Amino acid sequence: NAGVTQTPKFRVLKTGQSMTLLCAQDMNHEYMYWYRQDPGMGLRLIHYSVGEGTTAKGEVPDGYNVSRLKKQNFLLGLESAAPSQTSVYFCASRTPGQVPSSEKLFFGSGTQLSVL
Amino acid sequence: GENVEQHPSTLSVQEGDSAVIKCTYSDSASNYFPWYKQELGKRPQLIIDIRSNVGEKKDQRIAVTLNKTAKHFSLHITETQPEDSAVYFCAAGLKDTGRRALTFGSGTRLQVQP
Repeated sequence: NAGVTQTPKFRVLKTGQSMTLLCAQDMNHEYMYWYRQDPGMGLRLIHYSVGEGTTAKGEVPDGYNVSRLKKQNFLLGLESAAPSQTSVYFCASRTPGQVPSSEKLFFGSGTQLSVL
Repeated sequence: GENVEQHPSTLSVQEGDSAVIKCTYSDSASNYFPWYKQELGKRPQLIIDIRSNVGEKKDQRIAVTLNKTAKHFSLHITETQPEDSAVYFCAAGLKDTGRRALTFGSGTRLQVQP
């Protein structure tokens, strides 16, 4: 199993450009999340999904859109990139359920995005 | 919503010493408190977690304590080793509720000096 795979790993954008980050998981997880990581601010939730076809806003959703057309994929879009969106983006997934360790988040390896 | 505060932001210890990282949370409904470790350039990985019906949990050299009344929880690492050097994140959330995603603390950078 590959686990959670993010593409691309690195990207440099100019202000106003658009791009899509792809997150794919092969663990049949229902729940998927997009976090951004900035120095001194930990991991902040952007958007999340509790199942195919559903999405919801997290703590810092402005400037981002998401889609979950397939259970295994969760896409994060930036329609008009801004320098404030320079960050490391992590996707994560987990399975629902009462069994121990079901709350464990599996993270992707991250995408380092710079917006100039 | 939930707010998690984590201290200290950086911590330097000598190899073999103990390290303690503390977190407080605001939402009394939170009942799940995990700790993630992120090595330099790597993805965060779960190292230990605790649920609200337990006051303490140990796993070899690491332990977590929870005080629900005071709404704080702590990570304790004993006999620290250089490979413990990493950024540690605490988090709080509702067990088995994907609709309430975890809220993370701001992280503690632990440096273990050989």
